[in-house]
Amino acid sequence: AQKITQTQPGMFVQEKEAVTLDCTYDTSDPSYGLFWYKQPSSGEMIFLIYQGSYDQQNATEGRYSLNFQKARKSANLVISASQLGDSAMYFCAMREGVGTGTASKLTFGTGTRLQVTL
Amino acid sequence: GAVVSQHPSWVICKSGTSVKIECRSLDFQATTMFWYRQFPKQSLMLMATSNEGSKATYEQGVEKDKFLINHASLTLSTLTVTSAHPEDSSFYICSAPIPGTLISEAFFGQGTRLTVV
Repeated sequence: AQKITQTQPGMFVQEKEAVTLDCTYDTSDPSYGLFWYKQPSSGEMIFLIYQGSYDQQNATEGRYSLNFQKARKSANLVISASQLGDSAMYFCAMREGVGTGTASKLTFGTGTRLQVTL
Repeated sequence: GAVVSQHPSWVICKSGTSVKIECRSLDFQATTMFWYRQFPKQSLMLMATSNEGSKATYEQGVEKDKFLINHASLTLSTLTVTSAHPEDSSFYICSAPIPGTLISEAFFGQGTRLTVV
């Protein structure tokens, strides 16, 4: 089974509108972290937002917010007031075993390509 | 500014030659670094975990002898693609966890686009 699933290969949004990028995950580990990254055409991975499995509130970072629904195992990214510069690939990722003191790998979804239009 | 620096950002090499990619942590010590590979229009796949002072841990299906990893210091890990072939052409990117934070692996290097001709 896929650990991270992003069902939207591509999304379009008009400038200044909000958009939601979907992400569902699968883990039996009670301690995990969820990440969203932006990858522009240059290839760099830009960290956007993080949500820990024990966090009570949804994470927010400026125009980015994470709609964390633990029971549904979903961690959707909401981008408000979209800008042309938001056009990029967006990856959802998960790290299991958070807080164990050892670094562990990130598992990535297949990504969603967001295109912001005028 | 960037906390993880990767070099070179792109490289073209002839088939059969070797290429070395460097990943440096800036302003912090990284006992562990991660190397990922990304084919065009695909996701990032972990290749190996680089451990300072010990052997790297490779993911299933990754050839250890082809992708040599050296983590000689607390701030530098290198990935050497040996006897490169066109099928090794890909985007390689490293990540270094920042100690003392739950948000580990939050920062990546700039990536290296390798083209083997």
